[in-house]
Amino acid sequence: DTGVSQDPRHKITKRGQNVTFRCDPISEHNRLYWYRQTLGQGPEFLTYFQNEAQLEKSRLLSDRFSAERPKGSFSTLEIQRTEQGDSAMYLCASSSSGGHSTDTQYFGPGTRLTVL
Amino acid sequence: DAKTTQPPSMDCAEGRAANLPCNHSTISGNEYVYWYRQIHSQGPQYIIHGLKNNETNEMASLIITEDRKSSTLILPHATLRDTAVYYCIVRVGRTGTASKLTFGTGTRLQVTL
Repeated sequence: DTGVSQDPRHKITKRGQNVTFRCDPISEHNRLYWYRQTLGQGPEFLTYFQNEAQLEKSRLLSDRFSAERPKGSFSTLEIQRTEQGDSAMYLCASSSSGGHSTDTQYFGPGTRLTVL
Repeated sequence: DAKTTQPPSMDCAEGRAANLPCNHSTISGNEYVYWYRQIHSQGPQYIIHGLKNNETNEMASLIITEDRKSSTLILPHATLRDTAVYYCIVRVGRTGTASKLTFGTGTRLQVTL
């Protein structure tokens, strides 16, 4: 396993711009999660996918946020019309629900977003 | 998922064992105890998890009390690289539907020379 990867690692944008982040899960992991972490707080759940289906969304995920996982592999998280309050670390995690797995989530390095 | 309570910070001398406590008095019978840590500006790193038996891996040991209302993560020989925020999380184990992780504010462990 090469681990969960995220791109970009850092993003600086101006308020009102759209941004898109990518997450590549551990290969063959069918579940993929997005979390957000603000300074001094623990990560907060945003949404998760099982294969290509988005099965749960947090109320933190406003209508400016959209996530996709079109082929059940990589996922994208888009934020439209960014606001300064969107500044945070966006974390992706993946897990496997198959076989004898324990559905343990493994995290990527995160994408740090700064909205000016 | 049950809530957890952890001390906000702890210190440990390098080379000594670090014992990080966690209370989860409302844990249900099908909920596991998971530990993650987060080194500054990195993603959380999985450490270990258990249901009711004590567990050990190459990183740490997890001791769960018999009533399962509390647990202790043990790093047997702490090094400076173990300085991080440690999160104790209780969640349902593998089921038909996924279970999100609910992070608290964790314990900030500072390992010193």
